[in-house]
Amino acid sequence: EAGVVQSPRYKIIEKKQPVAFWCNPISGHNTLYWYRQNLGQGPELLIRYENEEAVDDSQLPKDRFSAERLKGVDSTLKIQPAELGDSAVYLCASSSRDSETQYFGPGTRLLVL
Amino acid sequence: KQEVTQIPAALSVPEGENLVLNCSFTDSAIYNLQWFRQDPGKGLTSLLLIQSSQREQTSGRLNASLDKSSGRSTLYIAASQPGDSATYLCAVDTGANSKLTFGKGITLSVRP
Repeated sequence: EAGVVQSPRYKIIEKKQPVAFWCNPISGHNTLYWYRQNLGQGPELLIRYENEEAVDDSQLPKDRFSAERLKGVDSTLKIQPAELGDSAVYLCASSSRDSETQYFGPGTRLLVL
Repeated sequence: KQEVTQIPAALSVPEGENLVLNCSFTDSAIYNLQWFRQDPGKGLTSLLLIQSSQREQTSGRLNASLDKSSGRSTLYIAASQPGDSATYLCAVDTGANSKLTFGKGITLSVRP
């Protein structure tokens, strides 16, 4: 069974540029999470989806961040415009209805110059 | 607001040693507690999940315990191996929208 897939793995952009991250969860997992992990810190939840509905986006900086999961499968997280402080690893995770275990992808490492 | 603390930030032990990683949390009203492993440049791998009604969980050489009343959990690793070198993160699920609050992790190095 394939795990959570994320792309790109690495991204370097200049500040004020837009950037997008893509995530494909494990097949059949209805819950999808986006986390941000700063260096030396634990991941922090940005947004959680149940199917195509965003049920918790309280930590998503909505002035510059947006996310979508149109068909309840894969998801895209966008930052526009990016700031220096957005440099971090962006992790996607998914889980199924009958388990609380979250399965994480390898992450996208973003560097904003 | 739930806060999760893991001390020390780093630990180095010789191969074969049994070791304990500690995790503390401020709000005992939790749904479950999870331990993850993170290798450099990789995502997180779930190791053990303890429900709030449980005291411990075991998987191979790993044993995790939970004391909700004191706000503590420990991850016990028996007969450590160099392949156990990684960062170990503790996360608490408060049950509110299944939101995990993570500690900063403990970076473990097992010397051959």
